[in-house]
Amino acid sequence: IAGITQAPTSQILAAGRRMTLRCTQDMRHNAMYWYRQDLGLGLRLIHYSNTAGTTGKGEVPDGYSVSRANTDDFPLTLASAVPSQTSVYFCASRSPNTGELFFGEGSRLTVL
Amino acid sequence: AQSVTQLGSHVSVSEGALVLLRCNYSSSVPPYLFWYVQYPNQGLQLLLKYTSAATLVKGINGFEAEFKKSETSFHLTKPSAHMSDAAEYFCALSGGSNYKLTFGKGTLLTVNP
Repeated sequence: IAGITQAPTSQILAAGRRMTLRCTQDMRHNAMYWYRQDLGLGLRLIHYSNTAGTTGKGEVPDGYSVSRANTDDFPLTLASAVPSQTSVYFCASRSPNTGELFFGEGSRLTVL
Repeated sequence: AQSVTQLGSHVSVSEGALVLLRCNYSSSVPPYLFWYVQYPNQGLQLLLKYTSAATLVKGINGFEAEFKKSETSFHLTKPSAHMSDAAEYFCALSGGSNYKLTFGKGTLLTVNP
């Protein structure tokens, strides 16, 4: 049972470079989310998608973009990475039956 | 707007002692409330949830939480702490039809032998 798969698990990136974090789910959930987790700040919502073909901005969307071409995939792109984007990024999907969010294992990104 | 406040960024208890992690919320609509646990280098796992049914909710690993509307609280408790309970705990709120979860900043639970 895979659930949510994120890649890469860890990446070091030079400032100014473009980076895409991948997220794939096998639960056929419509709603998916990207959060970043920073010490002392908890989890903050970056972008979300309620269904394939639609996306929305969360609490901290600046510098990030997402796409939702199909139900299973929800990639997060940093067009030009900056050091403040150093964080752990979590992708999640929501069960329509229980409302529970299922999380991936996270992608640790360091921007130098 | 909705918000979640977790009181205490770090709670330390002795093994066998009561665990109490505090969560207060603000929501303009009836909330759905969740507690998640995060072990080191892992994603978040659902402990329990309140979705307007019973106000006392039982979750996994012996944890429970009580929804108190008058106090806008959803505190997490466990009668007897175990070493394996050491982790970070997040309270989260979902209100209205947007289904987006708002998380508290987390409480790190340390269990001392």
